[in-house]
Amino acid sequence: AQKVTQAQTEISVVEKEDVTLDCVYETRDTTYYLFWYKQPPSGELVFLIRRNSFDEQNEISGRYSWNFQKSTSSFNFTITASQVVDSAVYFCAIGGNTGFQKLVFGTGTRLLVSP
Amino acid sequence: SQTIHQWPATLVQPVGSPLSLECTVEGTSNPNLYWYRQAAGRGLQLLFYSVGIGQISSEVPQNLSASRPQDRQFILSSKKLLLSDSGFYLCAWSGQANYEQYFGPGTRLTVT
Repeated sequence: AQKVTQAQTEISVVEKEDVTLDCVYETRDTTYYLFWYKQPPSGELVFLIRRNSFDEQNEISGRYSWNFQKSTSSFNFTITASQVVDSAVYFCAIGGNTGFQKLVFGTGTRLLVSP
Repeated sequence: SQTIHQWPATLVQPVGSPLSLECTVEGTSNPNLYWYRQAAGRGLQLLFYSVGIGQISSEVPQNLSASRPQDRQFILSSKKLLLSDSGFYLCAWSGQANYEQYFGPGTRLTVT
């Protein structure tokens, strides 16, 4: 069975600080996908990124970056120069290698960015 | 572009009353559809998923049911609500060729 652990329940930072959200996963599949979602106070989950298990290259998108390391089964998410609008709950998830996905989500990390 | 709708946005229902939550997707055909529940301050729990019309799979035994009467319509129902059914219900879809799921705005259900 697949499992995702987000050990950080809540993180508080001051605007412009960098922050890293940790995600550790467990799976027996050789091919799998990892995801990050953002849930702002409005409640809707917003898709941020998908990463294939064969692609260990780090990804950067603006202030967001993701570090995927199969050796440690981790898929960490870093926000550089955080902003108040980044305040949200962030979920890491894992799914198998099929078009139909039964995603397993972590319990989420609440990020509070204060001005 | 694809859009997913859910209604109602909020709902307050007494214990024992029936429930019907609706989800529709626009701009795509033959999507995979999912119902999740999120209890207060917790992660997402997959309740049901559907890969086609009339095809429903249940992940968690409970007093909820789901139906897919049309290709892009997914309905979550209950004949008699329990207090433990309170939560935030999210519908999601994924395409046949992509792996990520896209979520609707959610329905916040309070059972009193």
